[in-house]
Order: sequence, then structure tokens, then C-alpha cells
Amino acid sequence: KQEVTQIPAALSVPEGENLVLNCSFTDSAIYNLQWFRQDPGKGLTSLLLIQSSQREQTSGRLNASLDKSSGRSTLYIAASQPGDSATYLCAVSPFAGGGNKLTFGTGTQLKVEL
Amino acid sequence: DVKVTQSSRYLVKRTGEKVFLECVQDMDHENMFWYRQDPGLGLRLIYFSYDVKMKEKGDIPEGYSVSREKKERFSLILESASTNQTSMYLCASSFGGWATNEKLFFGSGTQLSVL
Repeated sequence: KQEVTQIPAALSVPEGENLVLNCSFTDSAIYNLQWFRQDPGKGLTSLLLIQSSQREQTSGRLNASLDKSSGRSTLYIAASQPGDSATYLCAVSPFAGGGNKLTFGTGTQLKVEL
Repeated sequence: DVKVTQSSRYLVKRTGEKVFLECVQDMDHENMFWYRQDPGLGLRLIYFSYDVKMKEKGDIPEGYSVSREKKERFSLILESASTNQTSMYLCASSFGGWATNEKLFFGSGTQLSVL
């Protein structure tokens, strides 16, 4: 059974710092990996989706990489801002089709301080 | 932008009540999902629907049922609510049908408390 782990569970950094969030998964036979952001008490917002054939995806200050063979993904946030404070979740899709049913990690809670 | 709307932000129900959670999406998505989110356990899939009247069980379907009579609306039903169903419930949708792996778009969630 696929398991997705995110370490650390919580992270606090000063504004302006570049940071890396980690995601690992036990079964490398994934179809894609998606990073989400969740604000307190709210739903999830999709940030980036990486297909298994891709190595990375970029959107603004965010860059996500995927190393399928080692079962790892990282989300890089450049020049962090207080508005980046949120919980970041990664999720993997185990196979092609199936409507993209995802297995989620439990998230990294990020706080960016002034 | 895709909008996924969940009818209630907070709900408080009593044990044994029948509870309906409603979700509507406005982007003509074929796929709709119900997840629950609990501290330390993350998000877990309850049910998935890839077309009107079509459904698949997720990882934790026990105690739940679903209804999809119209493409834009997906309802989660707790037949007889229990305290262990207190949770944040999240609805999501994605484009395409069963054979696709498109991005998921989530609603804002319904925090359900069963007393």
C-alpha cells in the first residue's frame, strides 16, 4: 500500500529565506505527483502537478522536482513571504486513469515570520 | 476559474441523524470526489464518481453513501451519523472521466461535528 511522508511536520523561517519541503513515497510506480496548499480551515489549492515522465515543474517562485526512482519530491519556495504561510501537502496518483485518485501526505505546516 | 462549492461551512448533528453534504461544481467536470481530513491521518478518499449515476468506493466508504443525479452535483450521505464521523469533509472535482489524471480542484470544506 502506498504511503506518503512529509518531513518536517512543521517549519518556521524568516521572511526572504529560500526553503525546501520534502515528500517521499514508498511505491515508485506512480503516475503523477501533485503539490497543494491549504490555508487554515480551508480547502486545498493545487500548486503544481508533475507527470511521472517529468523531472520538474515551475510556477512563479515555486519549483517542484520529482525523482521517481528514489521515491522523492521536493517543493522549493524562493524568497519566502508571510503570505506563503500555510500547510503544504503532496499527493501521488498510483496509476493511469481512475480519475486521478490521490494518496496524500499529512503535510508540512509552514510559517514565514516577518 | 473552477468553482467547487460546498453548501455548509459548519454543521452540528446528533448521533443517529441522517446527514447530507452537498457539493456543486461549475466547470462541467466529469469526476467528483469526497475526502475526509483528520489530524494526523491526512486526507482519505471516501467515494469517487466519474459520471452521472456512476460511483466507486474509496479507502473508507463504510458508513457513507453518495448520490450523483446531475453532473454538477455530488452528495455525500451519512445514513446514521456517529461521533467517529466528526471530521472536515472536502469535495473535489477534475476534468475528464475515469481514464484521466487531471488536476483536482477542491471546495472550502465542511466541518461536521456529531454530538
